[in-house]
Amino acid sequence: AQSVAQPEDQVNVAEGNPLTVKCTYSVSGNPYLFWYVQYPNRGLQFLLKYITGDNLVKGSYGFEAEFNKSQTSFHLKKPSALVSDSALYFCAVRDILSGNTPLVFGKGTRLSVIA
Amino acid sequence: DTGVSQDPRHKITKRGQNVTFRCDPISEHNRLYWYRQTLGQGPEFLTYFQNEAQLEKSRLLSDRFSAERPKGSFSTLEIQRTEQGDSAMYLCASSQGTGEAHYGYTFGSGTRLTVV
Repeated sequence: AQSVAQPEDQVNVAEGNPLTVKCTYSVSGNPYLFWYVQYPNRGLQFLLKYITGDNLVKGSYGFEAEFNKSQTSFHLKKPSALVSDSALYFCAVRDILSGNTPLVFGKGTRLSVIA
Repeated sequence: DTGVSQDPRHKITKRGQNVTFRCDPISEHNRLYWYRQTLGQGPEFLTYFQNEAQLEKSRLLSDRFSAERPKGSFSTLEIQRTEQGDSAMYLCASSQGTGEAHYGYTFGSGTRLTVV
């Protein structure tokens, strides 16, 4: 079975500081990993993905994420946070070997960037 | 193409009533997904279609729930005899199967259901 854990319900960071939102996953084979962002009363927006290749992937709005197979982690990072980054962030996974199995999402982490 | 559209955006209904939601996916996407999101939780998978075929249903999808995608285009999700526990945001997403691994899903803005 596939699963995702986002250990922090809330992350607070000062504007201009680096931010990290944590994600760990569990799959039987190799993972497809995604990060999505959700603003109030909106659907989820795609930020970035890891499929294969370079462990550091870059996405929208200056976000990046590092795939670490040994730690089964895919933490989301940004060097300098903006107040406008405040939102709900979801990590999602799918096992490459699972065929058409839908994405499994974590519970989400609320990021609050303080001016 | 304006993305994935969901209608209505909000629905308030009395317990025991039936409700139906509609999702219009991106036109070239052959896969369509329904998820449910409750407060403080991530999206939970309900069901998905490839073209008009419903390929998988979650155990969350009780017999009061039914989904259709009759012509492989738009989809409807119906909840019969609504209960207060059905109150949630219902999200629709679509994807192009061959590109899904690379582009993920495109989500609509959701339908927020409140059962009173």
